[in-house]
Amino acid sequence: GQQVMQIPQYQHVQEGEDFTTYCNSSTTLSNIQWYKQRPGGHPVFLIQLVKSGEVKKQKRLTFQFGEAKKNSSLHITATQTTDVGTYFCAGCDYNSGNTPLVFGKGTRLSVIA
Amino acid sequence: DVKVTQSSRYLVKRTGEKVFLECVQDMDHENMFWYRQDPGLGLRLIYFSYDVKMKEKGDIPEGYSVSREKKERFSLILESASTNQTSMYLCASSVAGGPYEQYFGPGTRLTVT
Repeated sequence: GQQVMQIPQYQHVQEGEDFTTYCNSSTTLSNIQWYKQRPGGHPVFLIQLVKSGEVKKQKRLTFQFGEAKKNSSLHITATQTTDVGTYFCAGCDYNSGNTPLVFGKGTRLSVIA
Repeated sequence: DVKVTQSSRYLVKRTGEKVFLECVQDMDHENMFWYRQDPGLGLRLIYFSYDVKMKEKGDIPEGYSVSREKKERFSLILESASTNQTSMYLCASSVAGGPYEQYFGPGTRLTVT
């Protein structure tokens, strides 16, 4: 079945450093979504990308969807302590039928002040 | 604002007990999902439902069942709880079609002793 791999599993950065997490799918995706889960909280939707090569920005966060629609990345510029949490990507392939999202295992970000 | 509520934040049950986890959403969403979250394993889909009375198995349905008698309510049932079902359980909902963003509840941390 469809698999979504996410790396790295953990990332520790100094406040002010940049951070990137990568998401790779075994199959072509119809879309990719990104979620953030703060410690002790639940996943919260950040954004969805649907077009090949699409790039979207939310303040210091930049999201990219690969040209082949099999990979995606989330880049955070100049991390802050408020960025701490686990970032999940999730995608699905419409061609596989009415399938739900498949989540990556997440990247846990720690920011050292 | 979409609100997804879960019946308990923390639950402790004994091995062999029947456990009910309730999830209610107030935004008239057609789709509802149950996930379990374990360290290092990310979000794993247990069951989902695209309509009342309808259910589909996710990636790890063994040992679980679900019920959706009303559109706003999706229940997860552990027929005979086992210690390996100790986990965080997250419910989510979304509108039909898409896939669209999923709205998660606060989670239930279940401990089976």
